[in-house]
Amino acid sequence: EVQLVESGGGLVKPGGSLRLSCAASGFTFSSYSMNWVRQAPGKGLEWVSSISSSSSYIYYADSVKGRFTISRDNAKNSLYLQMNSLRAEDTAVYYCARDATGSSGYPYYWGQGTLVTVSS
Amino acid sequence: SYELTQPPSVSVSPGQTARITCSGDALPKKYAYWYQQKSGQAPVLVIYEDSKRPSGIPERFSGSSSGTMATLTISGAQVEDEADYYCYSTDSSGNHRGVFGGGTKLTVL
Repeated sequence: EVQLVESGGGLVKPGGSLRLSCAASGFTFSSYSMNWVRQAPGKGLEWVSSISSSSSYIYYADSVKGRFTISRDNAKNSLYLQMNSLRAEDTAVYYCARDATGSSGYPYYWGQGTLVTVSS
Repeated sequence: SYELTQPPSVSVSPGQTARITCSGDALPKKYAYWYQQKSGQAPVLVIYEDSKRPSGIPERFSGSSSGTMATLTISGAQVEDEADYYCYSTDSSGNHRGVFGGGTKLTVL
């Protein structure tokens, strides 16, 4: 069974940093592209970033480019999101999501999310 | 930046057909995907590659795409289909950046 478990969320002050992690199990992690998707309270889904299986291809939404860094450790079956220069508008539940097949380009399996709150 | 546009809300009575649209300039060249999200839960994929249904998704869910518009159709909507629905695609620049529509709240009552 595919499992994705996010961690690392919490309360951080504007301008601060946070690192999210996603622990994957139940599949061959190194064979799949992965994504981060966020959802602000009461708002819609927003695609944040994606990374290919070997980290060769990395993409970011304009809203986070230059501030967030996606990475993965295939040996540890883990996905990460380093978030710097955080703003109030980054407050959201952050979901880790696996592509449907290798590099299908769309999320299929989702974690339950971790809440990031940016507030002074 | 690329945008996908959905109506904020759609309302139908149980047993009626619900149609939710998604418009985007790149849809003639890019697939549309549809996700269902119930309150407090993670999204669930209900349609992929415009019109394909994942295993476990009821047959009443179908999708189509023509020109710059994709449509999710729920034939004979049930009360349990009440949820937020999001379309998803990638931009046309070839860099596989994802984008979600703003979401449509489907009310079945």
